[in-house]
Amino acid sequence: GDSVTQTEGLVTLTKGLPVMLNCTYQTTYSPFLFWYVQHLNEAPKLLLKSSTDNKRTEHQGFYATLHKSSSSFHLQKSSVQLSDSALYFCAFSTGGNNKLTFGQGTVLSVIP
Amino acid sequence: AQTIHQWPVAEIKAVGSPLSLGCTIKGKSSPNLYWYWQATGGTLQQLFYSITVGQVESVVQLNLSASRPKDDQFILSTEKLLLSHSGFYLCAWSLDWGDTQYFGPGTRLLVL
Repeated sequence: GDSVTQTEGLVTLTKGLPVMLNCTYQTTYSPFLFWYVQHLNEAPKLLLKSSTDNKRTEHQGFYATLHKSSSSFHLQKSSVQLSDSALYFCAFSTGGNNKLTFGQGTVLSVIP
Repeated sequence: AQTIHQWPVAEIKAVGSPLSLGCTIKGKSSPNLYWYWQATGGTLQQLFYSITVGQVESVVQLNLSASRPKDDQFILSTEKLLLSHSGFYLCAWSLDWGDTQYFGPGTRLLVL
């Protein structure tokens, strides 16, 4: 069945360092991939949505590229800030239905 | 601009008591609407979706029900709460199938 996997439960980084949060998916259909960010006691907010295969999308310093060959949509940022500390979810839909499947989430903790 | 409102902001309820949570969206005609549940620190689980007034589809069975009495309103309810119903309930909307989903501020529920 369709699934999305985030391998890291917690990532702790010092401010200013680069980060990559992993996201891989499994589906037999053509996927739409999303990254949502959820700050403490808030609702999830859309961070990025995938574009076409091998095209990079960017927002607020974060970027990700959909690679259908490896079924991946990893989230990256070149220099993390303290305000980036949050819970990050990778999610996908296949466009043919209204189901949005979320990964287990990765907590990013940025320390001074 | 579209706005999504959820009520109440938070609830503390007794096991076995009834529950009704509401969601309204303004500024968008005939949106797709969704209910999600999130355990503390956990991932998001889609519960229901609706593409039109009076029509609701269930994604998972959690002894909850949903209704869409108006184009801009989505209601989540149960006649008898369980301890396992505690969590964060989020309403979301999208323009169409497979489109980006945007979340409301959520309702925190504690069942004692």
